[in-house]
Amino acid sequence: QKEVEQNSGPLSVPEGAIASLNCTYSDRGSQSFFWYRQYSGKSPELIMSIYSNGDKEDGRFTAQLNKASQYVSLLIRDSQPSDSATYLCAVNIDNNDMRFGAGTRLTVKP
Amino acid sequence: GAVVSQHPSRVICKSGTSVKIECRSLDFQATTMFWYRQFPKQSLMLMATSNEGSKATYEQGVEKDKFLINHASLTLSTLTVTSAHPEDSSFYICSATTANTEAFFGQGTRLTVV
Repeated sequence: QKEVEQNSGPLSVPEGAIASLNCTYSDRGSQSFFWYRQYSGKSPELIMSIYSNGDKEDGRFTAQLNKASQYVSLLIRDSQPSDSATYLCAVNIDNNDMRFGAGTRLTVKP
Repeated sequence: GAVVSQHPSRVICKSGTSVKIECRSLDFQATTMFWYRQFPKQSLMLMATSNEGSKATYEQGVEKDKFLINHASLTLSTLTVTSAHPEDSSFYICSATTANTEAFFGQGTRLTVV
């Protein structure tokens, strides 16, 4: 079983809609969770970090964590074409051992 | 946020030569650095994890004698691609982290072997 799993997509949503990106992880002891965005040909950039159960909101982005279900998600409200990118879920599974999912490719259509 | 500088951003080399890529954490001490390779339209592939002062841990299938990693200090790690061949052409990315924090990525190095 892969340590961090994401649906590779592509996920396509119309402009203005909510994009929902999901991620599951296998290590129940994981404490830190991150979402990165990667544009084609560029390095990933951090969007959100979340450490405790529940929701964390930052602008149009909301990260949701459920440790019991080993599930972390990212919601993007009012999606814009500029949000089109690959979104990577990352889990710190053992103090400095960071594991990434394969990424979900999101396309926001005007 | 913290800054990780990767150099060079782009390199073209002849087949059979070696290429060194540097990754520096500019404003924090990185206890761990990661090296990734990414082929076009594919996901990040972890190559190795390096901790300062110790040998790197390579992922399965990554040749440690071909991809030499040195993590000499808390702010610098280097990846040397030895005897590069065209199939080594890829986008190489480093990231750095401290204990239980997010990983900060370098800008990436696009290597083309001709």
